[in-house]
Amino acid sequence: EIVLTQSPGTLSLSPGERATLSCRASQSVSSSYLAWYQQKPGQAPRLLIYGASSRATGIPDRFSGSGSGTDFTLTISRLEPEDFAVYYCQQYGSSPPRFTFGPGTKVDIK
Amino acid sequence: QVTLRESGPALVKPTQTLTLTCTFSGFSLSTSGMCVSWIRQPPGKALEWLARIDWDDDKYYSTSLKTRLTISKDTSKNQVVLTMTNMDPVDTATYYCARIHIWSGYTYFDYWGQGTLVTVSS
Repeated sequence: EIVLTQSPGTLSLSPGERATLSCRASQSVSSSYLAWYQQKPGQAPRLLIYGASSRATGIPDRFSGSGSGTDFTLTISRLEPEDFAVYYCQQYGSSPPRFTFGPGTKVDIK
Repeated sequence: QVTLRESGPALVKPTQTLTLTCTFSGFSLSTSGMCVSWIRQPPGKALEWLARIDWDDDKYYSTSLKTRLTISKDTSKNQVVLTMTNMDPVDTATYYCARIHIWSGYTYFDYWGQGTLVTVSS
């Protein structure tokens, strides 16, 4: 079973700074099946990126995803106040069908 | 407009069976390619996928919890039901249902309910 590791656990940054979040898989993952979600306190997760690099509908272009194989990255080019949240990567394995989430990276205000 | 809403008891006792209902609108689970999952999140912890049901009634479960989980659907009511047996305090979590986007070569959760907090305590 594939295990996702996210780093760092917490990222302390100021508004306007660039955030780089890492998601590493224990074995190769299809880019088509790698997604990123944002979760704010008391809210459900929100889809940001699917297919490793495609932004979901309505997601600002300061969010971008990249990577392949076992290493994936979510980048927030310039942090806005509303971007301080927890970010999860998620992968889908088709044989057998199952989903795995990473432990999350918290982006908080420095 | 796609919406999902979870409902069920807020408090269950250890060893009891939990039954949660996901009521959705904006799509039909009788349409080819439609799938719904349950995901949970203990307080302050990460998300954990639990189960999935497809339009053709195929069902898939988390390996670690499959002996305790049953997922079913009522297409006429636009509902998906999850039962979890032998509840334990470690099962205390917010339980979410979410639609799975599984077409166009990608797979991800595109719409989520707001979640329902279930506490397991005597």
